[in-house]
Amino acid sequence: GQQLNQSPQSMFIQEGEDVSMNCTSSSIFNTWLWYKQDPGEGPVLLIALYKAGELTSNGRLTAQFGITRKDSFLNISASIPSDVGIYFCAGQPGGGADGLTFGKGTHLIIQP
Amino acid sequence: SQTIHQWPATLVQPVGSPLSLECTVEGTSNPNLYWYRQAAGRGLQLLFYSVGIGQISSEVPQNLSASRPQDRQFILSSKKLLLSDSGFYLCAWTWASGGPTEFFGPGTRLTVL
Repeated sequence: GQQLNQSPQSMFIQEGEDVSMNCTSSSIFNTWLWYKQDPGEGPVLLIALYKAGELTSNGRLTAQFGITRKDSFLNISASIPSDVGIYFCAGQPGGGADGLTFGKGTHLIIQP
Repeated sequence: SQTIHQWPATLVQPVGSPLSLECTVEGTSNPNLYWYRQAAGRGLQLLFYSVGIGQISSEVPQNLSASRPQDRQFILSSKKLLLSDSGFYLCAWTWASGGPTEFFGPGTRLTVL
């Protein structure tokens, strides 16, 4: 099956720093999504990207859908303590009701 | 607004026992429904999805099965649990009319001993 390579696996940063993480795939995806998961809870959608080249912001978060349709990145500016959690990229290769393929997650840890 | 519920929230079961996890969605009709499993510290793996009552697609061969007896109800079952079935089980839904954006439930933590 298709796989998404998400990096970095974990990040230790200082409060106020910017964060960048990305996902790559060997095959094309038609949709890229970014989720955040807090411990013991389900993932919460942050940003959805539907067109190659699309750049979308949600507050301090910015994500882009790569032109080749094989990659996406998520940036968080001026990190705050509540940004701590695990961030997942997810992609859908085709249309219809097919489920998502998830990356393995980036664990964000913020040091005060 | 739409809400998705899962129960139980946590479950501890012995090896060989049966399993039934339930997911229900409120506030929408004919949603697409999904079951994912998340192993500790790992990403989510799609197990089953359903586009309508009685319609189930399986993504990976396994010890589990799914059923959709009602439009907004999705059940994950097993006749005999294995140790490897332990994990965090997440139900999700999408609009039937299009868009792959999935909304997740709160999850069920299953521990098989």
